[in-house]
Order: sequence, then C-alpha cells, then structure tokens
Amino acid sequence: GQQLNQSPQSMFIQEGEDVSMNCTSSSIFNTWLWYKQDPGEGPVLLIALYKAGELTSNGRLTAQFGITRKDSFLNISASIPSDVGIYFCAGQATWMAETSGSRLTFGEGTQLTVNP
Amino acid sequence: DTEVTQTPKHLVMGMTNKKSLKCEQHMGHRAMYWYKQKAKKPPELMFVYSYEKLSINESVPSRFSPECPNSSLLNLHLHALQPEDSALYLCASSLGLGLRYEQYFGPGTRLTVT
Repeated sequence: GQQLNQSPQSMFIQEGEDVSMNCTSSSIFNTWLWYKQDPGEGPVLLIALYKAGELTSNGRLTAQFGITRKDSFLNISASIPSDVGIYFCAGQATWMAETSGSRLTFGEGTQLTVNP
Repeated sequence: DTEVTQTPKHLVMGMTNKKSLKCEQHMGHRAMYWYKQKAKKPPELMFVYSYEKLSINESVPSRFSPECPNSSLLNLHLHALQPEDSALYLCASSLGLGLRYEQYFGPGTRLTVT
C-alpha cells in the first residue's frame, strides 16, 4: 500500500526560529494536506495543495507540492509557543475503488516543541 | 464555518455497556467519516458514508456499528468493547468524495474501556 515517510519525527526549537518538515512517498499523490493536532483535540487543516509545484502560504506557514508529486514540505517561520503540537501530512491519490479519491494516507507526524 | 461537533468529549464504559458517539456538521457536506486514533499515531480510517450510505468499512469489528440518520448526523454505536478499543475517536466530513474535497475533523471523543 501507499506510505508516507514524514520527518523529522520530533523537533525542539527556540521561539522565533524557523521550522521545516517534509513528507516523501514512493507513490504519486494528487493532493497533499497538512494538519496540526493539539493534545486531546482533532486535527485542524492548515494547508491544502492540489497541483505539482504549487506553493501556498497561510500566515507564517508555507507548504509546497513537490514537482514529482511524491513529496511535500511545510515551513513555519518565526515560531511561537502556540505552534506546539503534532503536524501530520496527508496525501490523496486516485484510488481504484468505487469511492476513489477519498482515502487519506497519513504520515506518522512531527512533534514540535517550542521553547519560549 | 468549518465546524464538526462531537459528543461526548469523554466517555468511560465497561466491556458490557452499550454507548453511542455522535457527530454533527452543518456545512452541507455529503461525506462523513469515522477514524480511530491511538496516542502519538495518525488517525486510522474506520468507516465512510456518502449521501447517507455506507461506502467503506475498513474491516472494523462488529462491536462498532455506524449509523447515518441524515446528511448532518453520524453516530457510532458501541457494544461489548475491549480495553484495546480505548482511543480518540474522530469524526470528519467533506463536501464530497474525491481528490479535491478536504476532510475537516471534529474535536474527538476520548473513549476509555474498563
């Protein structure tokens, strides 16, 4: 099956630093999504990417859909304490079933800790 | 508004109990999902409903029984659960099924089976 390799697994940074994390796959994906999850809460959608090469920003967050369609990265600039949480990448691919396209394949997550 | 609500927030149940989890969205989404999430792991898909019909059952044990009474509501009925079923249960919805329909998650129900 399709798998996403997300790295790093965890990051410990100082407030104000920039952060970068990425997801790679051996398979092609048609959509990349980035979610953030706080402890005890559900994942919150940060950015959605639909086109190879696409670069999209949401405030201090920037994400790119890799040109090969097999990877994506997320950058956070000037981190603040509330950026703490687990960040998940998720991909969607054409799925050979009657409900093709809905299945999300998740990365294992990046745990971000920001020290004030 | 991209809000999906879930009740209860927390649930503790014994292995012989019957309980239900509820999920609601008013975004006009036609696809709804149940996920199970263990600590520090990504969500795992359990069920998908499209237009109130079950589209996907990811070989989930029959002690979990989903129900979609209408396009805004999704229930998960629980019976005779095992301690290993303790997890965060997440509901999600999307406008439809397909590659460009993002899934929006609710806050989850933290389930503990004793």
